[in-house]
Amino acid sequence: QKEVEQDPGPLSVPEGAIVSLNCTYSNSAFQYFMWYRQYSRKGPELLMYTYSSGNKEDGRFTAQVDKSSKYISLFIRDSQPSDSATYLCAMSRPPSNTGKLIFGQGTTLQVKP
Amino acid sequence: GAGVSQTPSNKVTEKGKYVELRCDPISGHTALYWYRQSLGQGPEFLIYFQGTGAADDSGLPNDRFFAVRPEGSVSTLKIQRTERGDSAVYLCASSLATGGISGANVLTFGAGSRLTVL
Repeated sequence: QKEVEQDPGPLSVPEGAIVSLNCTYSNSAFQYFMWYRQYSRKGPELLMYTYSSGNKEDGRFTAQVDKSSKYISLFIRDSQPSDSATYLCAMSRPPSNTGKLIFGQGTTLQVKP
Repeated sequence: GAGVSQTPSNKVTEKGKYVELRCDPISGHTALYWYRQSLGQGPEFLIYFQGTGAADDSGLPNDRFFAVRPEGSVSTLKIQRTERGDSAVYLCASSLATGGISGANVLTFGAGSRLTVL
């Protein structure tokens, strides 16, 4: 069993929809939680970064971490065609630095105009 | 440079050959990481440098893989006796610092080097 599980999709939604992306994990030692977006033939780029539990909002994006359930989510409001990409959750644990990340498989999202 | 630069962007080689992949991190970034991304999968950690030294190479799959960063800037990932299973996108990332909670720990990834072993 992988340490981080993520439904690969693909997920297809109409423009303007609310998108929910999720990951589950097995190791309770994870403390840093991130969401990356990856366009085709590009490297991942960081969208959201959360330490421990709680919510964080940035524009149309909201990240949630529920450590009791070992479950993290990314919500995208008013989705746009430009949001079409693969979304990767990632996490890390001490004592290693936050750059040694464990990634989920990635969920492919398509937003249709 | 403005971003993390990786060369070559594409490399096709034959089984058994030797390959070098280069990463030029963002100027001033002391931490450098190599990840490998197989088709349909998330990136997997290979090795991390802090300055010139490899601080953590626990992700290197076997002794055919080796990486260097002799002057604390550019890094080269070296793969000996390539196998078909080595085919993947090799991603390099850099950051200003390591540890703790800080915007300086944000990893900036390059576009990757796509390796195909025939």
